Amino acid sequence: KQEVTQIPAALSVPEGENLVLNCSFTDSAIYNLQWFRQDPGKGLTSLLLIQSSQREQTSGRLNASLDKSSGRSTLYIAASQPGDSATYLCAVKAQGAQKLVFGQGTRLTINP
Amino acid sequence: DTGVSQDPRHKITKRGQNVTFRCDPISEHNRLYWYRQTLGQGPEFLTYFQNEAQLEKSRLLSDRFSAERPKGSFSTLEIQRTEQGDSAMYLCASSLLLSRDTEAFFGQGTRLTVV
Repeated sequence: KQEVTQIPAALSVPEGENLVLNCSFTDSAIYNLQWFRQDPGKGLTSLLLIQSSQREQTSGRLNASLDKSSGRSTLYIAASQPGDSATYLCAVKAQGAQKLVFGQGTRLTINP
Repeated sequence: DTGVSQDPRHKITKRGQNVTFRCDPISEHNRLYWYRQTLGQGPEFLTYFQNEAQLEKSRLLSDRFSAERPKGSFSTLEIQRTEQGDSAMYLCASSLLLSRDTEAFFGQGTRLTVV
């Protein structure tokens, strides 16, 4: 059974810092991994999708990496801003499955 | 707005009542998913449709839950005889079947509170 873990559960940093969020998964046989952002009481906004054959994806100040063999992904946020404050979730789609399996999320607070 | 749309956004109901939620996916998307999210947790898979066919259901989907996608477009999720444990955010997502590596897009969710 695929399990996804995100560490830390919460993170608070001053504005302007670069930061890394971590995601680990137990079964390396995945189709893809997706990072989402969730604002309080809202739905999920897709940030980046990494295919199983890719090592990283970039969008603006965000960079996500994938190491399938070790079961890890990181989301790097450069030059953080207060507007980046949200919960960040990673989710994997296992081979042979259609559903996404989510981690519990990292609640990020950027302090002005 | 051409994203995934869910209605209502909030629902408060008394225990024992039936509730129904609606999801309108992105128009060309043929896959539709329902997830449930409780406070402080990541979403958990409930069920998914490819066109009008319901292809997978989670064990979380008890016999009080039923989902339909009658014409392969919008979907409804009904909960009968609601219990306080059903209080959660119900999220709908859609994707386009082109290959296995397709991005899922989520709606804003329906927040259910059972009192």
